[in-house]
Order: sequence, then structure tokens, then C-alpha cells
Amino acid sequence: NAGVMQNPRHLVRRRGQEARLRCSPMKGHSHVYWYRQLPEEGLKFMVYLQKENIIDESGMPKERFSAEFPKEGPSILRIQQVVRGDSAAYFCASSPDRSSYGYTFGSGTRLTVV
Amino acid sequence: SQQGEEDPQALSIQEGENATMNCSYKTSINNLQWYRQNSGRGLVHLILIRSNEREKHSGRLRVTLDTSKKSSSLLITASRAADTASYFCATDADGHDKIIFGKGTRLHILP
Repeated sequence: NAGVMQNPRHLVRRRGQEARLRCSPMKGHSHVYWYRQLPEEGLKFMVYLQKENIIDESGMPKERFSAEFPKEGPSILRIQQVVRGDSAAYFCASSPDRSSYGYTFGSGTRLTVV
Repeated sequence: SQQGEEDPQALSIQEGENATMNCSYKTSINNLQWYRQNSGRGLVHLILIRSNEREKHSGRLRVTLDTSKKSSSLLITASRAADTASYFCATDADGHDKIIFGKGTRLHILP
């Protein structure tokens, strides 16, 4: 079991480009959570997804950000028309059910917007 | 909004000493968790304490929870250089379908 896999580990985008971050949950986990971490800050909740459903997107910016978790394949966090302020580490976590008991986190994707 | 707030923000101690970090939160919870993050890495789950528990141990870690004061503490005994990391508390909130993190305590163990 390879754990939660996120790719790429590092992503550099120019302002205005699109960023696609991928997260493959642990085997048997059908619940995925995305968090964003700014330097020297804690993790800020963005979105909670279950297969083919967005359960809670209360932390997602209203524009340019979207997330999906299709029936097949990884969860995708998509940021359109990136700006410098989107530079951060984006972490994905997964859990086997709708509980908050001990998420398993991936190693994160560090997005740099230049 | 942030549910948990850690205190202190940064802590430096000598190797072998004990390190204590505190976390305060605002609303009622089902459980509180502590995570560790090494620089540039993902988070590692350390320990979970349920709202009906007052104290929990795991190796050199001791966690307490005081629901009347809405606070928790994480004690690391006999600290080692490898304990240098950021430590975050996290609580479930708002219907308990996600966990909310504090800003963390950056712990530095001096050789």
C-alpha cells in the first residue's frame, strides 16, 4: 500500500496558466480532503469529496478553483488562471469513511506561480 | 475559521528536555488530534483523543484534554533531535465531516 500519492511534487506555473494537482487516495479510501498551506501557516481546509460527489466545498475560493473525484482515477484540484497568491503547498488526505479519525496525508504539491 | 490555536508559536529546548505545546479551540468537539510535520513534508498523524477522554499516552507522547477549558496539551518527553518539526492540533467541527487545523507550534531541539 503506497499511501496517499500526490503528483507532481513541485509545479511551476506562469501567471494566467492552469494548474492541475492530482491525488490518489490510499487503497480502500473513498473520502478525499484537500488543504492549502501557506508558508509558516497551518493547513486551511478547502474541499471534501467522496467518489463522484462534493460533500463540502466551504473552503474553496469562489472563482478559479474546482475539484473532482471521479469514479475512476485520482482526485483533481484544478486552479485556473493562477496568480502569485496561489503559491502554496497543497495537501491531500484520505480516509476510509466519513469520520475524522486519523487522516492519511500525502506529501503535498508545492505550487509556485511566477 | 480556525478551530484550534497552538501555543507557543515556536519553542526551542535542549535535547533531553520535555516539550509542552498547548492547543485551544472554540466549539464543542468529538475528538482532537495532533499531527507532526517535518520541514517540506506532509503531515503525520500522532495521536487522537476523544472528547470523553482526559489523557492518552503513546510512547514518549502524552496528550491531555480539558473540554471545560476547551484546551489540550501535547507533551513530548526526553526530546530528541528528530523531534524537530511543526506540531499541529486539529479538531472536528461543523458537523464533523472535516478537521480544522491550528497554525502550529514550531519545535526546535537543540543538540
